[in-house]
Amino acid sequence: DAKTTQPTSMDCAEGRAANLPCNHSTISGNEYVYWYRQIHSQGPQYIIHGLKNNETNEMASLIITEDRKSSTLILPHATLRDTAVYYCIVRVVFDKVIFGPGTSLSVIP
Amino acid sequence: DVKVTQSSRYLVKRTGEKVFLECVQDMDHENMFWYRQDPGLGLRLIYFSYDVKMKEKGDIPEGYSVSREKKERFSLILESASTNQTSMYLCAAGDRAGNEKLFFGSGTQLSVL
Repeated sequence: DAKTTQPTSMDCAEGRAANLPCNHSTISGNEYVYWYRQIHSQGPQYIIHGLKNNETNEMASLIITEDRKSSTLILPHATLRDTAVYYCIVRVVFDKVIFGPGTSLSVIP
Repeated sequence: DVKVTQSSRYLVKRTGEKVFLECVQDMDHENMFWYRQDPGLGLRLIYFSYDVKMKEKGDIPEGYSVSREKKERFSLILESASTNQTSMYLCAAGDRAGNEKLFFGSGTQLSVL
């Protein structure tokens, strides 16, 4: 079973920041938080991951709370091409990767 | 970035046929995975492999087998295809050294008639 809880769907206005939350209250000390997204009819795409520090790359920022029980993926300036299903995954490195239902993000013009 | 290539984008087979789905990755990654994706059920892990000739069952291995004779190639085998195996099949590869972020292929839409 997936170890995370995400909203089923969200909307975001084009050009605004998209903030996607994820709860992982049972996360253990050696588990990382990974984010992937899946654009319609394509395979999932890796976005970012982190252990306890906040992370940023060219695609997004990942904010992890101090107690590590939740995190937020931030797309700073959402575009129509960011419309996708976003998956938050918690796992130990080398463990199998289990996807939950994710959040369907719609970016509205 | 890693390129993961799945041999067919669309495939139509008949019930009872033996079906091979091929996946090749070009970055010498140790780990490879097969998933299927169905509406309302999301992505489900069928099998994975951490090295040549090694395989581990995922959450739904029944009706499937796999083969990994070379590091770059991971094959999914449906010994006797059934209609309930109609699905989108996705292959992924991951690098242990890189915290194992996964790279996915474009998928094979398999229809079993």
